[in-house]
Amino acid sequence: DIVMTQTPLSSPVILGQPASFSCRSSQSLVHSDGNTYLSWLHQRPGQPPRLLIYKISNHFSGVPDRFSGSGAGTDFTLKISRVEGDDVGVYYCMQSTHFPYTFGQGTKLEIK
Amino acid sequence: EVQLVESGGGLVQPGGSLRLSCAASGFIFSTYWMHWVRQVPGKGLVWVSRIKSDGSTTTYADSVKGRFTISRDNAKNTLYLQMNGLRADDTAVYYCARWSDYYGALDVWGQGSTVTVSS
Repeated sequence: DIVMTQTPLSSPVILGQPASFSCRSSQSLVHSDGNTYLSWLHQRPGQPPRLLIYKISNHFSGVPDRFSGSGAGTDFTLKISRVEGDDVGVYYCMQSTHFPYTFGQGTKLEIK
Repeated sequence: EVQLVESGGGLVQPGGSLRLSCAASGFIFSTYWMHWVRQVPGKGLVWVSRIKSDGSTTTYADSVKGRFTISRDNAKNTLYLQMNGLRADDTAVYYCARWSDYYGALDVWGQGSTVTVSS
Protein backbone atom coordinates (compact mmCIF):
# COMPACT_ATOMS: atom_id res chain seq x y z
CA ASP A 1 0.00 0.00 0.00
CA ILE A 2 1.09 3.58 -0.62
CA VAL A 3 2.06 5.27 2.63
CA MET A 4 1.13 8.92 2.91
CA THR A 5 3.16 10.85 5.47
CA GLN A 6 2.00 14.27 6.60
CA THR A 7 4.02 16.84 8.52
CA PRO A 8 3.63 18.46 10.89
CA LEU A 9 1.06 16.52 12.90
CA SER A 10 0.01 19.72 14.62
CA SER A 11 0.21 23.32 13.47
CA PRO A 12 -0.57 26.18 15.88
CA VAL A 13 -1.12 29.32 13.82
CA ILE A 14 -2.02 32.92 14.61
CA LEU A 15 -5.16 34.20 12.91
CA GLY A 16 -4.28 36.03 9.72
CA GLN A 17 -0.94 34.27 9.40
CA PRO A 18 -0.10 31.65 6.76
CA ALA A 19 0.00 27.90 7.29
CA SER A 20 1.65 25.16 5.30
CA PHE A 21 1.18 21.40 5.40
CA SER A 22 3.33 18.78 3.76
CA CYS A 23 2.33 15.38 2.37
CA ARG A 24 4.77 12.82 1.04
CA SER A 25 3.91 9.53 -0.66
CA SER A 26 5.98 6.36 -0.63
CA GLN A 27 5.67 6.05 -4.41
CA SER A 28 4.98 8.40 -7.28
CA LEU A 29 1.32 9.32 -7.59
CA VAL A 30 1.46 9.91 -11.33
CA HIS A 31 -1.20 7.70 -12.89
CA SER A 32 -0.75 5.94 -16.22
CA ASP A 33 -3.33 8.37 -17.62
CA GLY A 34 -0.99 11.26 -16.82
CA ASN A 35 -3.01 12.65 -13.92
CA THR A 36 -1.85 12.80 -10.32
CA TYR A 37 -4.72 11.88 -8.03
CA LEU A 38 -3.71 13.72 -4.90
CA SER A 39 -6.45 15.52 -3.02
CA TRP A 40 -6.72 17.46 0.22
CA LEU A 41 -9.66 17.20 2.61
CA HIS A 42 -10.61 19.23 5.64
CA GLN A 43 -12.44 17.81 8.63
CA ARG A 44 -13.84 20.07 11.31
CA PRO A 45 -14.51 18.55 14.74
CA GLY A 46 -17.62 16.35 14.69
CA GLN A 47 -18.10 16.73 10.95
CA PRO A 48 -17.34 14.57 7.91
CA PRO A 49 -14.38 15.37 5.70
CA ARG A 50 -14.94 17.74 2.83
CA LEU A 51 -12.98 18.06 -0.38
CA LEU A 52 -10.77 21.14 -0.71
CA ILE A 53 -8.28 20.48 -3.48
CA TYR A 54 -8.20 17.83 -6.22
CA LYS A 55 -5.47 16.69 -8.59
CA ILE A 56 -2.79 18.50 -6.60
CA SER A 57 -3.81 22.10 -7.15
CA ASN A 58 -7.42 22.48 -8.29
CA HIS A 59 -9.98 24.17 -6.04
CA PHE A 60 -13.17 22.29 -5.34
CA SER A 61 -16.38 24.31 -5.64
CA GLY A 62 -16.71 26.99 -2.97
CA VAL A 63 -13.17 26.67 -1.62
CA PRO A 64 -11.62 30.11 -1.07
CA ASP A 65 -8.52 31.22 -2.94
CA ARG A 66 -6.71 31.40 0.39
CA PHE A 67 -6.11 27.69 -0.07
CA SER A 68 -3.58 26.50 -2.62
CA GLY A 69 -2.09 23.13 -3.46
CA SER A 70 1.17 22.34 -5.17
CA GLY A 71 3.68 19.58 -5.73
CA ALA A 72 4.48 16.70 -8.01
CA GLY A 73 5.47 13.07 -7.94
CA THR A 74 5.80 12.22 -4.26
CA ASP A 75 5.88 15.62 -2.54
CA PHE A 76 2.85 17.83 -2.07
CA THR A 77 1.95 20.95 -0.11
CA LEU A 78 -1.23 22.65 1.02
CA LYS A 79 -0.94 26.31 1.92
CA ILE A 80 -3.36 28.69 3.54
CA SER A 81 -2.36 32.29 2.86
CA ARG A 82 -4.23 33.79 5.82
CA VAL A 83 -5.72 31.50 8.44
CA GLU A 84 -9.27 32.22 9.57
CA GLY A 85 -11.18 30.77 12.52
CA ASP A 86 -13.20 28.38 10.35
CA ASP A 87 -10.01 26.74 9.15
CA VAL A 88 -9.47 24.82 12.39
CA GLY A 89 -9.63 21.06 12.19
CA VAL A 90 -7.63 18.31 10.56
CA TYR A 91 -6.29 18.38 7.02
CA TYR A 92 -5.79 15.08 5.22
CA CYS A 93 -4.06 14.31 1.97
CA MET A 94 -5.42 11.36 0.03
CA GLN A 95 -4.02 9.46 -2.92
CA SER A 96 -6.37 7.78 -5.39
CA THR A 97 -3.82 6.82 -8.01
CA HIS A 98 -3.09 3.37 -6.59
CA PHE A 99 -5.36 0.85 -4.88
CA PRO A 100 -6.10 0.77 -2.07
CA TYR A 101 -6.68 4.49 -1.75
CA THR A 102 -4.79 5.79 1.26
CA PHE A 103 -4.81 8.86 3.47
CA GLY A 104 -2.18 10.70 5.41
CA GLN A 105 -2.51 10.67 9.19
CA GLY A 106 -3.64 14.28 9.14
CA THR A 107 -2.33 17.66 10.28
CA LYS A 108 -4.30 19.39 13.01
CA LEU A 109 -4.60 23.15 12.58
CA GLU A 110 -5.09 25.01 15.84
CA ILE A 111 -5.35 28.70 16.50
CA LYS A 112 -2.53 29.96 18.69
CA GLU B 1 -29.00 19.57 -2.87
CA VAL B 2 -26.55 16.72 -3.26
CA GLN B 3 -26.73 14.61 -0.13
CA LEU B 4 -25.67 11.28 1.34
CA VAL B 5 -27.30 10.07 4.54
CA GLU B 6 -26.02 6.98 6.33
CA SER B 7 -28.03 4.83 8.73
CA GLY B 8 -27.88 1.42 10.37
CA GLY B 9 -25.03 1.87 12.78
CA GLY B 10 -25.15 0.75 16.38
CA LEU B 11 -23.73 -1.50 19.06
CA VAL B 12 -23.03 -5.10 18.11
CA GLN B 13 -21.24 -7.96 19.82
CA PRO B 14 -18.00 -9.38 18.40
CA GLY B 15 -18.80 -11.85 15.66
CA GLY B 16 -22.10 -10.16 14.94
CA SER B 17 -23.45 -8.52 11.81
CA LEU B 18 -24.72 -5.12 10.81
CA ARG B 19 -25.88 -3.53 7.58
CA LEU B 20 -25.22 0.12 6.86
CA SER B 21 -27.27 2.05 4.35
CA CYS B 22 -26.45 5.27 2.53
CA ALA B 23 -29.35 7.11 0.92
CA ALA B 24 -28.37 9.37 -1.95
CA SER B 25 -30.28 12.35 -3.26
CA GLY B 26 -29.77 15.37 -5.50
CA PHE B 27 -27.76 13.58 -8.18
CA ILE B 28 -28.01 10.67 -10.60
CA PHE B 29 -26.87 7.95 -8.22
CA SER B 30 -26.69 5.24 -10.88
CA THR B 31 -23.88 7.03 -12.72
CA TYR B 32 -21.37 7.23 -9.87
CA TRP B 33 -18.93 4.87 -8.24
CA MET B 34 -19.52 4.87 -4.50
CA HIS B 35 -17.16 4.23 -1.61
CA TRP B 36 -17.09 3.50 2.09
CA VAL B 37 -14.42 5.06 4.29
CA ARG B 38 -14.12 4.56 8.04
CA GLN B 39 -12.55 6.48 10.89
CA VAL B 40 -11.77 5.31 14.38
CA PRO B 41 -12.73 8.19 16.71
CA GLY B 42 -9.79 10.52 17.09
CA LYS B 43 -7.84 8.73 14.37
CA GLY B 44 -7.37 9.01 10.62
CA LEU B 45 -9.39 7.97 7.59
CA VAL B 46 -9.20 4.48 6.13
CA TRP B 47 -10.66 3.44 2.79
CA VAL B 48 -12.87 0.35 3.07
CA SER B 49 -14.60 -0.51 -0.18
CA ARG B 50 -15.95 0.73 -3.50
CA ILE B 51 -18.57 -0.31 -6.04
CA LYS B 52 -19.03 0.58 -9.68
CA SER B 53 -22.01 2.59 -10.82
CA ASP B 54 -23.86 -0.49 -12.11
CA GLY B 55 -22.77 -2.72 -9.24
CA SER B 56 -20.72 -5.01 -11.47
CA THR B 57 -17.35 -4.35 -9.83
CA THR B 58 -16.45 -4.23 -6.15
CA THR B 59 -13.14 -3.76 -4.34
CA TYR B 60 -12.24 -4.16 -0.68
CA ALA B 61 -9.47 -3.32 1.73
CA ASP B 62 -7.61 -6.43 2.88
CA SER B 63 -8.77 -5.80 6.45
CA VAL B 64 -12.44 -6.38 5.53
CA LYS B 65 -12.18 -8.72 2.55
CA GLY B 66 -14.33 -11.81 3.03
CA ARG B 67 -16.29 -10.22 5.89
CA PHE B 68 -17.84 -7.09 4.36
CA THR B 69 -19.98 -6.85 1.23
CA ILE B 70 -20.72 -3.64 -0.60
CA SER B 71 -23.82 -3.45 -2.77
CA ARG B 72 -26.25 -0.93 -4.19
CA ASP B 73 -29.83 -0.59 -5.32
CA ASN B 74 -29.92 2.04 -8.04
CA ALA B 75 -33.71 1.95 -8.14
CA LYS B 76 -33.72 3.04 -4.48
CA ASN B 77 -30.68 5.34 -4.76
CA THR B 78 -29.13 3.47 -1.87
CA LEU B 79 -25.68 2.09 -1.12
CA TYR B 80 -25.15 -0.70 1.41
CA LEU B 81 -22.36 -2.21 3.46
CA GLN B 82 -23.10 -5.62 4.92
CA MET B 83 -20.65 -6.28 7.75
CA ASN B 84 -20.29 -9.82 9.09
CA GLY B 85 -17.85 -11.30 11.57
CA LEU B 86 -17.40 -7.93 13.22
CA ARG B 87 -14.36 -7.40 15.42
CA ALA B 88 -13.48 -4.78 18.00
CA ASP B 89 -11.14 -3.11 15.53
CA ASP B 90 -14.05 -2.52 13.16
CA THR B 91 -15.35 0.05 15.65
CA ALA B 92 -15.44 3.32 13.74
CA VAL B 93 -17.54 5.97 12.10
CA TYR B 94 -18.39 4.76 8.60
CA TYR B 95 -18.77 7.33 5.83
CA CYS B 96 -20.19 6.77 2.40
CA ALA B 97 -18.68 8.97 -0.26
CA ARG B 98 -19.20 9.68 -3.94
CA TRP B 99 -16.34 9.31 -6.42
CA SER B 100 -16.21 11.98 -9.09
CA ASP B 101 -14.46 11.02 -12.32
CA TYR B 102 -14.29 14.70 -13.15
CA TYR B 103 -12.47 15.69 -9.98
CA GLY B 104 -10.66 12.41 -9.54
CA ALA B 105 -11.58 12.55 -5.88
CA LEU B 106 -14.25 11.77 -3.29
CA ASP B 107 -16.31 14.92 -3.67
CA VAL B 108 -19.41 14.27 -1.52
CA TRP B 109 -19.42 12.65 1.93
CA GLY B 110 -22.20 11.56 4.22
CA GLN B 111 -22.34 12.60 7.86
CA GLY B 112 -21.26 9.14 9.03
CA SER B 113 -22.75 6.22 10.93
CA THR B 114 -21.16 4.92 14.13
CA VAL B 115 -20.48 1.22 14.55
CA THR B 116 -19.37 -0.05 17.95
CA VAL B 117 -18.28 -3.65 18.35
CA SER B 118 -18.17 -4.60 21.99
CA SER B 119 -19.41 -7.27 24.37
